[in-house]
Amino acid sequence: QVQLVQSGAEVKKPGSSMTVSCKSSGGTFSSFAISWVRQAPGQGLEWMGGVIPIFGTTNYAQKFQGRVTITADESTSTAYMELSSLRSDDTAVYYCARSWPDFFYGSGSPHFDYWGQGTLVTVSS
Amino acid sequence: QSALTQPASVSGSPGQSITISCTGSSSDVGLYNFVSWYQKHPGKAPKVIIYDVSKRPSGVSDRISGSKSGNTASLTISGLQAEDEADYYCSSYTNTSTLGVFGGGTKLSVL
Repeated sequence: QVQLVQSGAEVKKPGSSMTVSCKSSGGTFSSFAISWVRQAPGQGLEWMGGVIPIFGTTNYAQKFQGRVTITADESTSTAYMELSSLRSDDTAVYYCARSWPDFFYGSGSPHFDYWGQGTLVTVSS
Repeated sequence: QSALTQPASVSGSPGQSITISCTGSSSDVGLYNFVSWYQKHPGKAPKVIIYDVSKRPSGVSDRISGSKSGNTASLTISGLQAEDEADYYCSSYTNTSTLGVFGGGTKLSVL
């Protein structure tokens, strides 16, 4: 059974950076893609970007380009999402989610079959 | 503002059917058959219930179905049950630099 386990909740100051990790177990980490999706309080879901670990290929939503970096460490089956220049409206629950790589190549749906438990990040002075 | 437009809320009585719409554009829903739907209960991670417009993952009830016409995708839940009460989100691949977009979500109330 595939499991994605994320790092714990954090409180950050405006202007600082945050890093959330997502450790995969029970499946083939490298062959799939890992995306990051966030949900701000009272808001909907928002795709931020993702990585295909076996190739190191990344893709970022235009809104976050220049501020987000997503990486993967195949040796530990862990993906990371770093978001910089934090603002109060970055307060959200951040999820990692697994999909087939075809989504990244325009040949499949954003079909996220396994999700992490979510990490609450609060940005406050 | 979300890229895909969903009604904020829908409701139905147990046993009834409801349909949730998801309107996009010719850059996403209208161009590709790459629409997914997610069910989300408060405090839980989303769960995929439809992908590729109308395919159900293993274990998802056959009371749930998806379709698409033009720029609008639809999710239908028949034989409503109390456990169906949740937020529902559509998602689509898009040919912009942002590969994936979500709708704003629809709160389903089972009265």
